[in-house]
Amino acid sequence: NFMLTQPHSVSESPGKTVTISCTRSSGSIASTYVQWYQQRPGSSPTTVIYENNRRPSGVPDRFSGSIDSSSNSASLTISGLKTEDEADYYCHSYQSTTVVFGGGTKLTVL
Amino acid sequence: QVQLVESGGGVVQPGRSLRLSCAASGLTFSNYGMHWVRQAPGKGLEWVAVISYDGSHKFYADSVKGRFTVSRDNSKNTLYLQMNSLRVEDTAVYYCAKDPGRPSNSSVPLSWGQGTLVTVSS
Repeated sequence: NFMLTQPHSVSESPGKTVTISCTRSSGSIASTYVQWYQQRPGSSPTTVIYENNRRPSGVPDRFSGSIDSSSNSASLTISGLKTEDEADYYCHSYQSTTVVFGGGTKLTVL
Repeated sequence: QVQLVESGGGVVQPGRSLRLSCAASGLTFSNYGMHWVRQAPGKGLEWVAVISYDGSHKFYADSVKGRFTVSRDNSKNTLYLQMNSLRVEDTAVYYCAKDPGRPSNSSVPLSWGQGTLVTVSS
């Protein structure tokens, strides 16, 4: 089994760019897809990135995903931050029948 | 517009059983693998189970293996989660989610329902 480690919290100002990391503890980050989910307070999760860098319809191109094999990590980048982006963000990946969510990152837009 | 609506949550005593349902609309249900994911109060997301589009493959988290069973009825566009021998630590909001479907070759949660709360307490 492996773990996905995210920073507990990040904060940035409106209009700026923020990057949230997700580091895989063992096995290659590139071996399977990484997803990113947004969860606003009191709401169910929604998908902002799936299969490393694909955006579901309706998700603005301010959201982008990438993976870095050298650091064995994935990143979610949000540009042109808006106050509505304030939420918890979870990364997700899998290996065979093991499915893992990261612990979540609270994004504050202040 | 894809819609996933969970139901069946409630308060149940430890050791008892509960069955959750997830009614799907706005999609050809039989084309998609389906997941259950839960979230304990104030905690993060935890994957519970997945079932393939035709029900032939099912996988579970270690924490629920042997106690929970995922199934589906494609004629009714409905996903189920039978939960037996419930424990206090199973208390959570349970979400169903569909995967991307073909041509994607991954089965990851993509579209989510609104969730149903299960409380296990004596």
